[in-house]
Amino acid sequence: ILNVEQSPQSLHVQEGDSTNFTCSFPSSNFYALHWYRWETAKSPEALFVMTLNGDEKKKGRISATLNTKEGYSYLYIKGSQPEDSATYLCASYTGNQFYFGTGTSLTVIP
Amino acid sequence: EPEVTQTPSHQVTQMGQEVILRCVPISNHLYFYWYRQILGQKVEFLVSFYNNEISEKSEIFDDQFSVERPDGSNFTLKIRSTKLEDSAMYFCASSGVAWRGFYEQYFGPGTRLTVT
Repeated sequence: ILNVEQSPQSLHVQEGDSTNFTCSFPSSNFYALHWYRWETAKSPEALFVMTLNGDEKKKGRISATLNTKEGYSYLYIKGSQPEDSATYLCASYTGNQFYFGTGTSLTVIP
Repeated sequence: EPEVTQTPSHQVTQMGQEVILRCVPISNHLYFYWYRQILGQKVEFLVSFYNNEISEKSEIFDDQFSVERPDGSNFTLKIRSTKLEDSAMYFCASSGVAWRGFYEQYFGPGTRLTVT
């Protein structure tokens, strides 16, 4: 079983602050890294799928980077808004299975 | 906007009974998945399905589990003889491109299975 770790487990930020969190995964057997946004009582929503070392992806105020050699990905949110409050989940795809982290719960305080 | 749907939203069953969880993936999608999340634990991958056969499966997906696409729209997960530890939220997902885990997956709202 692969261990995918996310940190921090939770954080609270003020509206307008920028924030970032980390997903760590074993760099061996790496094929792809998925990021999801998961609001309470809804289903996970795909944000990014990243495959190549050095990949950077952006969707609005949210961006992500990938380092496959050292086994981590950062998710950045610029100018956090209350509607960004959600759990951000990452999953590593090893070529035959997906392994999920526990998620980072973000609360943006108006 | 097309979405993945799942029925029922909540299923209560007795230990030892068979349950079938149903999913309708997005209509032109080719790759289908089942995941589960036991309360307080990580989301776990169960199985992926492509071209009417299992593509990948985890250690959790043992002989008690099976998947089927009985018609052109439904994708089902059957648990033959439920155990207490099968209680979890079960998510179905689909992907529009047949290239395994490299593309975005669209998740359904989940079915909460409670085994008593």
